[in-house]
Amino acid sequence: QVQLVQSGAEVKKPGASVKVSCKASGYTFTSYGISWVRQAPGQGLEWMGWISAYNGNTNYAQKLQGRVTMTTDTSTSTAYMELRSLRSDDTAVYYCARVPGVPQGGMDVWGQGTTVTVSS
Amino acid sequence: SYVLTQPPSVSVAPGQTARITCGGNNIGSKSVHWYQQKPGQAPVLVVYDDSDRPSGIPERFSGSNSGNTATLTISRVEAGDEADYYCQVWDSSSDHPNVVFGGGTKLTVL
Repeated sequence: QVQLVQSGAEVKKPGASVKVSCKASGYTFTSYGISWVRQAPGQGLEWMGWISAYNGNTNYAQKLQGRVTMTTDTSTSTAYMELRSLRSDDTAVYYCARVPGVPQGGMDVWGQGTTVTVSS
Repeated sequence: SYVLTQPPSVSVAPGQTARITCGGNNIGSKSVHWYQQKPGQAPVLVVYDDSDRPSGIPERFSGSNSGNTATLTISRVEAGDEADYYCQVWDSSSDHPNVVFGGGTKLTVL
């Protein structure tokens, strides 16, 4: 079945970096894109950006530009999201989600989420 | 930047119809997607491109979009429909195109 499986929970200190993985299975990885969405405790959904698994094109949320990098490894059907210079307000559950085609499509398959806690 | 406005909460009795709105400037010109999120779980796409349903989503879920308001309608509401619901669009109107989510609506089944 189609699924996205994310890496485990992380605890980081302020100023550090975190890299979350998202392994896809059950579909042709390069035929879709991957969006990353985060959700702070008790808050709504926040889009972080999108990457095409076909050609690596990216589109990042303006507020995260310069701190976030999204990549893919087509040999392992895995997407990665790295966030640098972590702050306490980066504490959130981070989700990857499959997007058919272009970034404006609906996110039809989601990973289980990865909790990232930033604390000194 | 583009803003989507949802009511914080909607309450409905079982078997009745719930309507959750999503307001935005000329949202009728955009494609709207809707997600259901239950506590502790990842979101699930329930309606895409204004009114299409992914496979496995009950026909009770439907969507419409016109003018400045998109609406998610849930007919014959069940206890299991209690969740947070989010609308989403792609905003290409600025220099920096991006995905926008509404603030979310908590659906309570009385």
